[in-house]
Amino acid sequence: QSALTQPPSVSGSPGQSVTISCTGTSSDVGSYNRVSWYQQPPGTAPKLMIYEVSNRPSGVPDRFSGSKSGNTASLTISGLQAEDEADYYCSSYTSSSTWVFGGGTKLTVL
Amino acid sequence: EVQLVESGGGLIQPGGSLRLSCAASGFTVSSNYMSWVRQAPGKGLEWVSVIYSGGSTYYADSVKGRFTISRDNSKNTLYLQMNSLRAEDTAVYYCAGMLRSFDYWGQGTLVTVSS
Repeated sequence: QSALTQPPSVSGSPGQSVTISCTGTSSDVGSYNRVSWYQQPPGTAPKLMIYEVSNRPSGVPDRFSGSKSGNTASLTISGLQAEDEADYYCSSYTSSSTWVFGGGTKLTVL
Repeated sequence: EVQLVESGGGLIQPGGSLRLSCAASGFTVSSNYMSWVRQAPGKGLEWVSVIYSGGSTYYADSVKGRFTISRDNSKNTLYLQMNSLRAEDTAVYYCAGMLRSFDYWGQGTLVTVSS
C-alpha cells in the first residue's frame, strides 16, 4: 500500500495555470477511473474537488479540471486565484479493494 | 445537508485503546461506503479503513489487526475501535462519507498517543 507520488510543491502567479501530477501503478491509478482530488487549506478538513478522474462536484469552479494517462493522473487549475492556495491530495481505489492517497502537494500562489 | 461529527479522541498511553465515533445526519451510513482517514501532525492524508455498504471491511496495512471499523445502523453512526495504540497513530482522524469518492468529511478528532 504505497502512497501515490505527488510533487511536494508547485507555484504560480495569479491568472496562470498549474498542473499537479499523481503517479501510481497498474494496481491503482492505471486500472481504475476512481481517481479523485482534494483541496485542504490549513487547519480545515479536505474538500472534494474532482471525482472519477475528471468530474467536478456541484459548486467547484470549472477552473479545476482532471485527467489521466496510464498510471498518472493530473489536476490542472487555470486562472489561479489567491484563494486556491492550499494543499492538494489525489486518491485512488486499488485492486485490493482499499484506497490510497498521494503524499500531497502544496500550492503557492505568488 | 450532510453532517459528519467525530468524537472520542484524546490523549492515550501507548498500548491503550480508544473508540472513535462518527455521527451522521443527512447521509445514511448503512447504505453507503464509509471510511476513516487520518492525518498526522504536519503530514499528509492516510487512508485507514473502509466499510462497504454490504458490510465488507478493509484496512491499511499499518493498522490491520489493531483497528476495527463498524457501524450501528440504528444510530446512523460509524465507529473505529483502536487497540494497541502506538505513538505513530497520533493524528487527526476524519470520517468520510463516500458516494463517488470521499465526498463528505467531518471536522476530525485528534488522537494523541503519548506517555
